[in-house]
Amino acid sequence: DAEITQSPRHKITETGRQVTLACHQTWNHNNMFWYRQDLGHGLRLIHYSYGVQDTNKGEVSDGYSVSRSNTEDLPLTLESAASSQTSVYFCASSEDTDTQYFGPGTRLTVL
Amino acid sequence: SQQGEEDPQALSIQEGENATMNCSYKTSINNLQWYRQNSGRGLVHLILIRSNEREKHSGRLRVTLDTSKKSSSLLITASRAADTASYFCATDPQTGANNLFFGTGTRLTVIP
Repeated sequence: DAEITQSPRHKITETGRQVTLACHQTWNHNNMFWYRQDLGHGLRLIHYSYGVQDTNKGEVSDGYSVSRSNTEDLPLTLESAASSQTSVYFCASSEDTDTQYFGPGTRLTVL
Repeated sequence: SQQGEEDPQALSIQEGENATMNCSYKTSINNLQWYRQNSGRGLVHLILIRSNEREKHSGRLRVTLDTSKKSSSLLITASRAADTASYFCATDPQTGANNLFFGTGTRLTVIP
């Protein structure tokens, strides 16, 4: 069955370190998204991609970057982790705007 | 922000009762979707209603859409303890982009 996976599921890092969160989907979807979820804010869009070599900034992109070298993967990099980036991160993919399929999430703690 | 807002933020009901959650949004949309999130898990798509539809059913779920008021409601009938979760609305705005904008969610607790 097709799926979307994220790794690691939990990560603790220190302020200033570079961190990369992985997202892999086997739906063969062109669209992929990264969100962060914080209490009181719901899901906020960080970056998204509509296909290979395409990346776009979302609502809260500062301090984050993504790259799309193939259809299956959209890694999210925190260039210099900050305590404000402690959050739960979700990756999602979709073929169109009808349904997004979400990964299980990565809980990131920045100390 | 184009983010929607759900109301109430939290809802607690007895098993067997109906649960109603509301969503308001700000811009014209192509469709509105409802998602469910169990604790510690990713979101799961429940139902989609297009801008030219007023009501849609799926099993125990009923969704209504009022584009003039920019609002939607999700009704879960005959609730079960397993319905305990957070419910989010998401809008597909008429911007031409393939993005969804999620609300802040309603936390539903169904007491057995």
